[in-house]
Amino acid sequence: QKEVEQNSGPLSVPEGAIASLNCTYSDRGSQSFFWYRQYSGKSPELIMSIYSNGDKEDGRFTAQLNKASQYVSLLIRDSQPSDSATYLCAVNTGRRALTFGSGTRLQVQP
Amino acid sequence: EAGVTQSPTHLIKTRGQQATLRCSPISGHTSVYWYQQALGLGLQFLLWYDEGEERNRGNFPPRFSGRQFPNYSSELNVNALELEDSALYLCASSLDGQYGYTFGSGTRLTVV
Repeated sequence: QKEVEQNSGPLSVPEGAIASLNCTYSDRGSQSFFWYRQYSGKSPELIMSIYSNGDKEDGRFTAQLNKASQYVSLLIRDSQPSDSATYLCAVNTGRRALTFGSGTRLQVQP
Repeated sequence: EAGVTQSPTHLIKTRGQQATLRCSPISGHTSVYWYQQALGLGLQFLLWYDEGEERNRGNFPPRFSGRQFPNYSSELNVNALELEDSALYLCASSLDGQYGYTFGSGTRLTVV
């Protein structure tokens, strides 16, 4: 079992819709969770971090964490074509090194 | 504040040669991480340096090596280059992994 799992996609949503990206992790001791956005040919960019159960909102982005279910999600409201990218889930297992999922490719159709 | 800087941006080498990639972390960050991302694939963890020591390495052959200098900058060396080493090599730094990483813009290595 992979430590951090994501559906590879592509996830296709129409412009203006909500995009929902999901991630599960295997280490129950994981302490902190991150979402990175990576445009094709570019380096990953940190867009959200979450440390406790519940929701965390930042603009059009909402991260959701459920430690009991070992589940992290990212919601993107009012999706724009510029949101089309690969979204990487990353988990810190307490060893100061992050484990990354393989990413979900999001396509926002104009 | 300067971000993570990597050099060179692009590197073209011939099979069998050696490549050296460099990374300067954000000021104050002591940990440097190296990742390989082949075309269309996910991030593959290569190496983690902290306080000058190698803390962990991924599932790569020994011809991938590196070091971290006293100023926390880092070098990744790839010996005996093979065609499949062609990839984007990303460096990231952090003060503590619980706060996430900041990535550099990467070095694109092409082996011909």
